[in-house]
Amino acid sequence: AQRVTQPEKLLSVFKGAPVELKCNYSYSGSPELFWYVQYSRQRLQLLLRHISRESIKGFTADLNKGETSFHLKKPFAQEEDSAMYYCALKGGAQKLVFGQGTRLTINP
Amino acid sequence: GAGVSQSPSNKVTEKGKDVELRCDPISGHTALYWYRQRLGQGLEFLIYFQGNSAPDKSGLPSDRFSAERTGESVSTLTIQRTQQEDSAVYLCASRAGGNTEAFFGQGTRLTVV
Repeated sequence: AQRVTQPEKLLSVFKGAPVELKCNYSYSGSPELFWYVQYSRQRLQLLLRHISRESIKGFTADLNKGETSFHLKKPFAQEEDSAMYYCALKGGAQKLVFGQGTRLTINP
Repeated sequence: GAGVSQSPSNKVTEKGKDVELRCDPISGHTALYWYRQRLGQGLEFLIYFQGNSAPDKSGLPSDRFSAERTGESVSTLTIQRTQQEDSAVYLCASRAGGNTEAFFGQGTRLTVV
């Protein structure tokens, strides 16, 4: 079974501080991991995916198969990063499942 | 437009009535997903369509829920005999297949009174 766990429902940090949103997954095969973001009054949209190994808006995420984690990190948080963040896993059957989400608030 | 479109945007219905929610995916997208998002909760997987394959219905919470999709076009999610716990935002997403990203609609906010 595919499962994604985001242990923090809420995360609050100050502007300029580092931020890390945790994501752990459970899947027996070779997963594809994503981070999606939902800004206030906007649609859910892709932030980044592990196969691209890219940095988007200063965010990076590394897939750690040993720890079955895909944590999202940014060294210096900005106020516009405040949003709802969802970690997602796509398995071999193309089924896409999401975690419970973490609401990130950046305080000025 | 070129995005995923859902209708209606908002729906208020009386307990016990049936409702039908519609999703227009991006043209050419073979995969289509339905999710439920209750207030303060995450995205709960409901059902997934991939081309002409049998849908993955493993997330449907009860037999009151059903969904259809004809080919690679419109999908409808039907909830029969609605209950108050069905109140949520219902999100639809479509994807072109392979390693492409999923694009989401704006959602239908369902309120059962």
